[in-house]
Amino acid sequence: QVQLQESGPGLVKPSETLSLTCTVSSGSISDFYWGWIRQPPGKGLELIGYIYYSGSTHYNPSLKSRVTISVDTSNNQFSLKLSSVTAADTAAYYCARGEVFLWFGIRLSSFDIWGQGTMVTVSS
Amino acid sequence: DVVMTQSPLSLPVTLGQPASISCRSSQSLVYSDGNTYLHWFQQRPGQSPRRLIYKVSNRDSGVPDRFSGSGSGTDFTLKISRVEAEDVGVYYCMQTTHWPPNFGQGTKVEIK
Repeated sequence: QVQLQESGPGLVKPSETLSLTCTVSSGSISDFYWGWIRQPPGKGLELIGYIYYSGSTHYNPSLKSRVTISVDTSNNQFSLKLSSVTAADTAAYYCARGEVFLWFGIRLSSFDIWGQGTMVTVSS
Repeated sequence: DVVMTQSPLSLPVTLGQPASISCRSSQSLVYSDGNTYLHWFQQRPGQSPRRLIYKVSNRDSGVPDRFSGSGSGTDFTLKISRVEAEDVGVYYCMQTTHWPPNFGQGTKVEIK
């Protein structure tokens, strides 16, 4: 069974860059989208963005200017960078696998497998 | 952006009784390929979300058959036929038909 595990610092200073990595185990990173979703404490879920294993990216417009998602197929990992963070970026960050379908291109169907999540606090 | 509205936001239920959660979208979720990309997730306390239902009514492997999804267009429902203690948590609908994909606000299911 494919498993996802997030890793990275739990504390980031304001104005700095949040960096997280998701490691995919027991499965290939090929042929799927790989996404990041976050959840502020006590609140709902927000899509940050996702990347195809070939490298094409899709970022939520609300965060697009600050987000970079990349993939490392040789190590079965993908990563998130969120720049210029503020306290509003304090959240649990989840990585997830996205199923795809073909319709005039490669489309995201749904996120079927999620990591356990990692809490990131933005504070000085 | 498509607005996803869930109701109720809080749902106290008695063990063994049915429960129903509504999810409404501000636009039709039928995609140009004819499929409807509306999905349901369960988030138990302290856990990450788990997909229960994909494309309106398809139950994921290992999901008890007391969970069912239905609906079309802009109006969707998740039903639990007989609530068990392990069903406590927050349930989210999510649409991936329109860009950007987004979630409903969540419905908290608790035992009376």
